[in-house]
Amino acid sequence: EPEVTQTPSHQVTQMGQEVILRCVPISNHLYFYWYRQILGQKVEFLVSFYNNEISEKSEIFDDQFSVERPDGSNFTLKIRSTKLEDSAMYFCASSESGRAFFGQGTRLTVV
Amino acid sequence: AQSVTQLGSHVSVSEGALVLLRCNYSSSVPPYLFWYVQYPNQGLQLLLKYTTGATLVKGINGFEAEFKKSETSFHLTKPSAHMSDAAEYFCAVTHIQGSARQLTFGSGTQLTVLP
Repeated sequence: EPEVTQTPSHQVTQMGQEVILRCVPISNHLYFYWYRQILGQKVEFLVSFYNNEISEKSEIFDDQFSVERPDGSNFTLKIRSTKLEDSAMYFCASSESGRAFFGQGTRLTVV
Repeated sequence: AQSVTQLGSHVSVSEGALVLLRCNYSSSVPPYLFWYVQYPNQGLQLLLKYTTGATLVKGINGFEAEFKKSETSFHLTKPSAHMSDAAEYFCAVTHIQGSARQLTFGSGTQLTVLP
């Protein structure tokens, strides 16, 4: 089965630092997403990306966050000036015909 | 707008017993419905999905779910629980309209299987 790959699997950063979470979606997919799961809570939608632009974003996805597809294969989530409450598991997903494939997630810990 | 409600944040069953995890959805357009399973410290694995056609869908590991439009439900069942089924289960809904096709997840149900 095709896979979405995320790196790193775990990242620890100091409060106020910038982090970039990386994802390689499935190659023929056109829709890309980032979701977040704070420990013990449900999976929350952050942003969707289609045709090289954001198609929708949630209230969580404020100016602190940005996404990019820099080279046609990678899909990145940048968090500027991280806060303690940004600590969570971040999942990347891609989809084509209704089924989303999820990566294994990046656990971000802000200290 | 779409939303998902999972009744029961924790469900415990004995090994060999029926598993029933409840999911109700709301959607203003025809929904696509999914069940995902998450094992500790792992990602989300698709169990099964309903898009169109047959309302009873079968998934991996012996799970199945039935889409009931009149009840706006998509409950997940398995006839006989196995210890390896212990995990968190998420119901999710999306639709295929426009370019925003994100999933909306329920709050999850933690399944415990007792020996």
